[in-house]
Amino acid sequence: QKEVEQNSGPLSVPEGAIASLNCTYSDRGSQSFFWYRQYSGKSPELIMFIYSNGDKEDGRFTAQLNKASQYVSLLIRDSQPSDSATYLCASVGGATNKLIFGTGTLLAVQP
Amino acid sequence: GAVVSQHPSRVICKSGTSVKIECRSLDFQATTMFWYRQFPKQSLMLMATSNEGSKATYEQGVEKDKFLINHASLTLSTLTVTSAHPEDSSFYICSAIGVIRNTEAFFGQGTRLTVV
Repeated sequence: QKEVEQNSGPLSVPEGAIASLNCTYSDRGSQSFFWYRQYSGKSPELIMFIYSNGDKEDGRFTAQLNKASQYVSLLIRDSQPSDSATYLCASVGGATNKLIFGTGTLLAVQP
Repeated sequence: GAVVSQHPSRVICKSGTSVKIECRSLDFQATTMFWYRQFPKQSLMLMATSNEGSKATYEQGVEKDKFLINHASLTLSTLTVTSAHPEDSSFYICSAIGVIRNTEAFFGQGTRLTVV
């Protein structure tokens, strides 16, 4: 079982819609969770991090964490074509204290 | 936000030569740095974890004698690809976690290595 799992997609949403990206993790000791956006050929850029159960909002982005279900999600409201990218979920802490990435979900926002 | 600078951004080298990649945290002290490799259309694969002043911890399948990591200070870690081969061609990315802001991980710009 992979430590961090994501659906590879592609996830296609129309412009203006809400995009919902999901991630599950296997290490219950994981402490912090990150969402990164990566454009092709570029390094990942941090969108949000979350370490407490519940929701965390920043502009059009909302991260949700449910430690009981070992589930992290990212909602993007009012999706724009410029949001089209690969979204990487990552966790750190737990048994290894390593920053581990999921395989990423490709999001395509259709104009 | 915190800045991590990685250099060079792009390098082409001949097979059999060595290449050094630097990763610097510019405005914070990095207790831990991670080195990743990413092949086209794949996710970031952790190669090793580097803590200042100690030996790096390598992931299974990563040759420590081929990928030399040095983390001599709280602001600098280097990855040296020794005796590079074409199959080592990839995108190498470093990431740093800070002393105080240890809940965030920041990435360098990445290094595109091409071995010919």
